[in-house]
Amino acid sequence: EVQLVQSGAEVKKPGATVKISCKASGYTFTGYYIHWVQQAPGKGLEWLGRVDPEDGETIYAEKFQGRVTITADTSRDTAYMELSSLRSEDTAVYFCSIGTTQGGYNFDYWGQGTLVTVSS
Amino acid sequence: QSALTQPASVSGSPGQSITISCTGTSSDVGYYNYVSWYQQHPGKAPKLMIYDVSKRPSGVSNRFSGSKSGNTASLIISRLQAEDEADYYCCSYAGRSTRVFGGGTKVTVL
Repeated sequence: EVQLVQSGAEVKKPGATVKISCKASGYTFTGYYIHWVQQAPGKGLEWLGRVDPEDGETIYAEKFQGRVTITADTSRDTAYMELSSLRSEDTAVYFCSIGTTQGGYNFDYWGQGTLVTVSS
Repeated sequence: QSALTQPASVSGSPGQSITISCTGTSSDVGYYNYVSWYQQHPGKAPKLMIYDVSKRPSGVSNRFSGSKSGNTASLIISRLQAEDEADYYCCSYAGRSTRVFGGGTKVTVL
């Protein structure tokens, strides 16, 4: 059974950096890109970027370029999303997700989400 | 990359059909046949309902269907049920491995 289990909630001050993990199981970790999605309170979903665990290649959304870093550790079957220079607007639930259908253009497995609160 | 445009809310009575639209551009929805739809209940992770415009994952009710015309994709929910009340998001591949989501539509079952 495919599972993505994320790390727990975080509280950070403005300007700080947060790093969230996503532990994968039930499939070959290097087989699918891992994506990260942001959802601010009461708002919609926003794609942050993805990593190819096979070679570490990353692609980021323009909006987050320069502030987000996504990595994958194949020895731990775990992906990470680091967001720096945090501001109040970054308060959100962050999901990791993979797409296992042919081509992987969608997201059919999701982590449970990690709440990040940015507050002074 | 701008978000895809969805109506903020759609409502219908049990047993009726509703359609949620998702409008993008010729660089995303109009160019690629990689539109997916997600259902999200409060406090839960999104659930894939439709992928590649009109394909249904195993286990998803056949009351859910998808289509696309030009720059607009649509999700149709037939024989509306109380459990369908949720937020729905469309998502399109936008080239160079990027994705773009719609703003979301709240479906209310009257």
